[in-house]
Amino acid sequence: GQQVMQIPQYQHVQEGEDFTTYCNSSTTLSNIQWYKQRPGGHPVFLIQLVKSGEVKKQKRLTFQFGEAKKNSSLHITATQTTDVGTYFCAGPMDSNYQLIWGAGTKLIIKP
Amino acid sequence: KAGVTQTPRYLIKTRGQQVTLSCSPISGHRSVSWYQQTPGQGLQFLFEYFSETQRNKGNFPGRFSGRQFSNSRSEMNVSTLELGDSALYLCASSFDPPPSGNYGYTFGSGTRLTVV
Repeated sequence: GQQVMQIPQYQHVQEGEDFTTYCNSSTTLSNIQWYKQRPGGHPVFLIQLVKSGEVKKQKRLTFQFGEAKKNSSLHITATQTTDVGTYFCAGPMDSNYQLIWGAGTKLIIKP
Repeated sequence: KAGVTQTPRYLIKTRGQQVTLSCSPISGHRSVSWYQQTPGQGLQFLFEYFSETQRNKGNFPGRFSGRQFSNSRSEMNVSTLELGDSALYLCASSFDPPPSGNYGYTFGSGTRLTVV
């Protein structure tokens, strides 16, 4: 069936280092969405990418959608403690448009 | 504008009981989805409602059911609770006329259910 794989599962970084999470879909996606869930919180919508090769920035966060619309990445430059949390990607299924979610990447800042 | 409201925030139930959780979506949002999240796990899709109709359903047993009212408010019910049903139950709303999947979800704070 249609799947969205997200890697890595965890990433430990020193504050100030960069962070990247990757999503790969088994099929072409009409769009991809990114969410952030802080510890103890709920997922919060960050952004939606729709166009092939699209790149969007939100301050230190850079989101990319691949040319084939099957992969996407989220890159955070110079991480801060406020970036801690789990980042999820999600894309709609072809058959019924229900969102398929990646397993999430947990960003952990090393003390 | 008000966000997605879920009640109650916390709930403790005994194995074998049943529970009903409530979700009020953002005004104007007609799609409501429910997810189960257990510690360290991702988001497990339960079901989605649009205009009072169940549009999609995840792979959960029939003990899990839901409904949506004409004002878009939604409820989910779990009957014959099991210990493994302990989880955070999240509701998300979206402005999502079918066919779509093209709108971001706004999540509620969730209901944390503990089954003892």
